[in-house]
Amino acid sequence: EAQVTQNPRYLITVTGKKLTVTCSQNMNHEYMSWYRQDPGLGLRQIYYSMNVEVTDKGDVPEGYKVSRKEKRNFPLILESPSPNQTSLYFCASTSRSGSSYNEQFFGPGTRLTVL
Amino acid sequence: AQSVTQLDSHVSVSEGTPVLLRCNYSSSYSPSLFWYVQHPNKGLQLLLKYTSAATLVKGINGFEAEFKKSETSFHLTKPSAHMSDAAEYFCVVRVSSNTGKLIFGQGTTLQVKP
Repeated sequence: EAQVTQNPRYLITVTGKKLTVTCSQNMNHEYMSWYRQDPGLGLRQIYYSMNVEVTDKGDVPEGYKVSRKEKRNFPLILESPSPNQTSLYFCASTSRSGSSYNEQFFGPGTRLTVL
Repeated sequence: AQSVTQLDSHVSVSEGTPVLLRCNYSSSYSPSLFWYVQHPNKGLQLLLKYTSAATLVKGINGFEAEFKKSETSFHLTKPSAHMSDAAEYFCVVRVSSNTGKLIFGQGTTLQVKP
């Protein structure tokens, strides 16, 4: 089954304790992206990657890191989490058709609480 | 700059009545537009997309949307609401065809009353 998976689905942690949220897709998609969802704000892009070893900042990158060492994986790293990073996080991926991108497929989400 | 505005944060309808979720966009060129649905505690699912082909787009579960360039709108409609349609709906614009970047509206929560 074609899918985007995220782990963990739920995480409660404390300020300053480094954490990683994993994202993996099995569709051989070039493009992957991380979003955070906050009430009344919709989804906002954190980081994206257009291919292996190619990453760039989205609209709200502060406090986050990413890496893209393999095509299928795109982990999100919070080196020193703070309470304002409490949010619902989504990973997404998409493929190219010629010069344009197709619609994005989303993972099930990771609900993070930072105390 | 591209942007998306969903005109209602909350819409309530009775089961069997029509649904209208409103979306306006701002784009400096011909955009690609999407509607995604998020059911409680679930991820986002694509309902339909407009990519410069037919202006009336049909999606899954009986939803459709009409791209109106003169009004810069992409409203989502369904003739008859079902209880299972209760969810949050996002109107989304793609920044440009050769980047994957998406801009999301704030979301509209659809409540369906029996």
